[in-house]
Amino acid sequence: AQTVTQSQPEMSVQEAETVTLSCTYDTSESNYYLFWYKQPPSRQMILVIRQEAYKQQNATENRFSVNFQKAAKSFSLKISDSQLGDTAMYFCAFMKHGNYGGSQGNLIFGKGTKLSVKP
Amino acid sequence: DAGVIQSPRHEVTEMGQEVTLRCKPISGHDYLFWYRQTMMRGLELLIYFNNNVPIDDSGMPEDRFSAKMPNASFSTLKIQPSEPRDSAVYFCASSWTGGLGYTFGSGTRLTVV
Repeated sequence: AQTVTQSQPEMSVQEAETVTLSCTYDTSESNYYLFWYKQPPSRQMILVIRQEAYKQQNATENRFSVNFQKAAKSFSLKISDSQLGDTAMYFCAFMKHGNYGGSQGNLIFGKGTKLSVKP
Repeated sequence: DAGVIQSPRHEVTEMGQEVTLRCKPISGHDYLFWYRQTMMRGLELLIYFNNNVPIDDSGMPEDRFSAKMPNASFSTLKIQPSEPRDSAVYFCASSWTGGLGYTFGSGTRLTVV
């Protein structure tokens, strides 16, 4: 069974600074996807970034980037130039690769990291 | 597209009452998921459907919980009878074969008193 671990329950960062959130996972699968979701106080789950395990290049989306270390089963999220609107819970998630491409089955979530951006 | 639509947004009910949560997935999506979020247990998958057929319901806590998907555009999660420990936020999400990641609804916050 797959597991996802986020070891930092809470973090804080000053506005405009950079912060890195950690995530490790355990799986015997070779093909899979990893995701970071953001949940602001509105409780909406918002996809921030995703990484396909067969791609060596780390994904980036504007101020958000990941450091994917497949051998170490590590998938950290870096937020650059932090903004007050980045204050939220951040969830790391894992999904197996499907037989017909794309994803298959359910997302397995970590317990989350609560990030506070301070002015 | 309006996204995944859940109703109600909030529900307060008394212990022992029946509760029905509703979800409309994104048109064209063939996967639908029900998750429950609590402080203690985080986000847990309850059940998911593919093409309206339940695929995995191993996360359903007990017989008091049931879920249906009568057609591609509607699903319900029912709790009967409800108990205080069922208090949580319940999310519905949808996806499509070949897609990457889900789209979540805004959730239903259920409080059982």
